[in-house]
This record gives sequence, C-alpha cells and structure tokens, in this order.
Amino acid sequence: QVQLVQSGAEVKKPGASVKVSCKASGYTFTGYYMHWVRQAPGQGLEWMGWINPNSGGTNYAQKFQGRVTMTRDTSISTAYMELSRLRSDDTAVYYCARGYYDILTGYYGNYFDYWGQGTLVTVSS
Amino acid sequence: EIVMTQSPATLSVSPGERATLSCRASQSVSSNLAWYQQKPGQAPRLLIYGASTRATGIPARFSGSGSGTEFTLTISSLQSEDFAVYYCQQYNNWPALTFGGGTKVEIK
Repeated sequence: QVQLVQSGAEVKKPGASVKVSCKASGYTFTGYYMHWVRQAPGQGLEWMGWINPNSGGTNYAQKFQGRVTMTRDTSISTAYMELSRLRSDDTAVYYCARGYYDILTGYYGNYFDYWGQGTLVTVSS
Repeated sequence: EIVMTQSPATLSVSPGERATLSCRASQSVSSNLAWYQQKPGQAPRLLIYGASTRATGIPARFSGSGSGTEFTLTISSLQSEDFAVYYCQQYNNWPALTFGGGTKVEIK
C-alpha cells in the first residue's frame, strides 16, 4: 500500500534552516510528482511547490521562491523540503503529498491522493 | 492568484441530515477542483477531483458538483465519521495551486 512517512518534529530558531524528509513506499517513486503543503496552527492549507522525482525538476510557489529547495534521493525513494531563513510565521505542519497520476491515460492531476503524516516545525527564539 | 472562498465557515448538522458546502473561485477554474476532508491531528484526505469524481474508496454519500466559479460538496446523510473540516482546492491556474479557507462540519 502507498505510504509517505515523514521525519519527526523540529524546533528551530529564527534565521535557521529546516530540512524535512518524506520516504515513499508502495509505488514507483519516480512515477509521481511530490508536492509540499503546509498548515499553520488552526489555519488552512498552503501549497509550497513540487518536485518531479524522475528528473529532479522543481516548481515553487512564488511566495517561497528563494527560500525553499526541494530535492530527492531516488535510491531511497525519499523527497526532501528545505526551508531557509525561518521566521516565526513559518511555524506549521509541513506535509508531503503525492500528485495524482492516471497510469491508463498518462494524465497528471495537480491534486493529492496520498499524504504524509505531517511534520511540525516550530520556529521560536 | 485565484482566491477560493468557502462558505459557511462552520456548518452545524445533525447525524443523518444532509450537508451542503460551497466553494467559490475568484475566476473560472473550469472543472479543475478537488475537495478534501481533514480530521483533527490527521492529514487531509482526497474526496473529489474533477469537481465531481469521487476518489477511490470514497462513499457514495459524498458528491460534488459545479464548474466555472461555483462548486458544491454534498454529504447526503451525515455519519459520525463525517464531522471534520472540508477544503476545496483549484488546480486550473497552474502552477499557483490554491485552497479555500475550509468549512468545519460540526454536530448540531
């Protein structure tokens, strides 16, 4: 069965960086885009960007460009999201989420059929 | 950026009743709209994509409709496990994916 297992909670100081991992299993890692979505405490969902695990190509939401880097290691089916120059308003649960892909039609849909369990990142001095 | 507005913010419904949730886009997103359910402490779960297609394993009591700028998620007969927060998401304006602010469905 498809599983996305994320790394554990992090506490960081303002100005630091954080790197969250997302290990995929149960499917072909390179066949599906991996997205990152965050959720501040008590708030809604915010899309951050995606990585194509096959090519390593990325696309970031404008808000995060220059601060976020998404990478992957295909040998261990793991995607990573690194956010730098952290601020207090970056405190949130960060999710990895698999982008939809229809094997029969070859259609890639930019919505998310499987999600990781989330990683709480707390930014505090 | 396309702004997604959900209403109401909170919906109080009795078990067994019908719930109707709305999602409005600031400009047309065609049928490129998804709905998710999120329970406390859990990740969101995909319910509907393409505005009206149920995701794998989603019960038939969940249905989606609409196109353009107006969308509706209907839960025909609320079960206890359906009390949660629901989000819509547009994926028409690629690559700027955006979510609505959510509707909390609570027990009346």
